[in-house]
Amino acid sequence: GQSLEQPSEVTAVEGAIVQINCTYQTSGFYGLSWYQQHDGGAPTFLSYNALDGLEETGRFSSFLSRSDSYGYLLLQELQMKDSASYFCAVRDSENYGQNFVFGPGTRLSVLP
Amino acid sequence: DAGVIQSPRHEVTEMGQEVTLRCKPISGHDYLFWYRQTMMRGLELLIYFNNNVPIDDSGMPEDRFSAKMPNASFSTLKIQPSEPRDSAVYFCASSLDATDTQYFGPGTRLTVL
Repeated sequence: GQSLEQPSEVTAVEGAIVQINCTYQTSGFYGLSWYQQHDGGAPTFLSYNALDGLEETGRFSSFLSRSDSYGYLLLQELQMKDSASYFCAVRDSENYGQNFVFGPGTRLSVLP
Repeated sequence: DAGVIQSPRHEVTEMGQEVTLRCKPISGHDYLFWYRQTMMRGLELLIYFNNNVPIDDSGMPEDRFSAKMPNASFSTLKIQPSEPRDSAVYFCASSLDATDTQYFGPGTRLTVL
């Protein structure tokens, strides 16, 4: 089976940097994704890591260490609009690599 | 270009009634996913299709749930009979290929009384 762990809540102030961690256990592994979901909205794709290292997209970066089964999402220059839930998700090797499992989500609150 | 379209956006029904949720994926996307989101269980994958063929329905909770994809531009998720514990937000998502960039629809908020 698969399992993912994330902190349930994180709080930070505007302009700060915050890191949201994700650890996973899967039978086989293809990649780690991150999604953002605002209250009442739908999840939207942020980033994807298939290989070790850091991927940067604007203010957001995502990191993966396959040997540690660990990844994180780094949000820089936080803005109020970044207040949302953030989910990590893995795609593992079951069902031809299309077995998607989402983590429980981390609720980020950005304070003024 | 339109995103994933779902209807209805909200559905309130009584226990025992049949509920049908509809989804139109992004044109050209070969994969379609149905998810359910609740506070208790988070975001769960129910079933996904590749080129209109159901590939994995192991996430479908029980026989009361069924999903079809009669063509590349339309899918339904049916619950019959519905129960209060089915109350949740149901999302449909599509993707171009076997990658992790899934595009989610706005969701259907289902309330079963």
